[in-house]
Amino acid sequence: EAGVAQSPRYKIIEKRQSVAFWCNPISGHATLYWYQQILGQGPKLLIQFQNNGVVDDSQLPKDRFSAERLKGVDSTLKIQPAKLEDSAVYLCASSSRTGGGLDEQFFGPGTRLTVL
Amino acid sequence: AQSVTQPDIHITVSEGASLELRCNYSYGATPYLFWYVQSPGQGLQLLLKYFSGDTLVQGIKGFEAEFKRSQSSFNLRKPSVHWSDAAEYFCAVGVFSGGYNKLIFGAGTRLAVHP
Repeated sequence: EAGVAQSPRYKIIEKRQSVAFWCNPISGHATLYWYQQILGQGPKLLIQFQNNGVVDDSQLPKDRFSAERLKGVDSTLKIQPAKLEDSAVYLCASSSRTGGGLDEQFFGPGTRLTVL
Repeated sequence: AQSVTQPDIHITVSEGASLELRCNYSYGATPYLFWYVQSPGQGLQLLLKYFSGDTLVQGIKGFEAEFKRSQSSFNLRKPSVHWSDAAEYFCAVGVFSGGYNKLIFGAGTRLAVHP
């Protein structure tokens, strides 16, 4: 079974530029998550999708971050414009059933973003 | 507010020594608790989880954890550490919010293993 795929693995941009990350979850997984992991901290949930609907985006900075999950499969996370404090690893995870947190979440390798 | 505290930022042990990583949580309801491991350049991998029942849970790679409600703790243990265990370890609590469950992670403990 293929794992969660993410691309790119690394991205370096200047502040005020835009960037997008892509995630392909495990086949058949209904729930998809995007986390932000700042150096020295644990992952923080940005947004959670159930199929193609958003169920929790309470910690997503909506003035600059956006995410979509078309057709309930792949997802993209966009930052526009980026700030220095957005430098972090962005992790995508998926789980098979509703209610997410009780089910094992499978994580991708992450995208390391550096904003200069 | 729900939170997870991992008091030790870095821990160094010798190969073959025993290991205990501490985790304390704050959550008003029955907690669902998890330990994840993250190797450099890798995503997080679930080591073990506690939902209910026996307070001592066994996980992969020889790890175990014990849930102690009176201490709000969920410490991770391994009797004999291998060099390959060097990684960062995250404790997390599953909380119920807005009809869905989500994970809240601690800041992590980085484990170094001396040969």
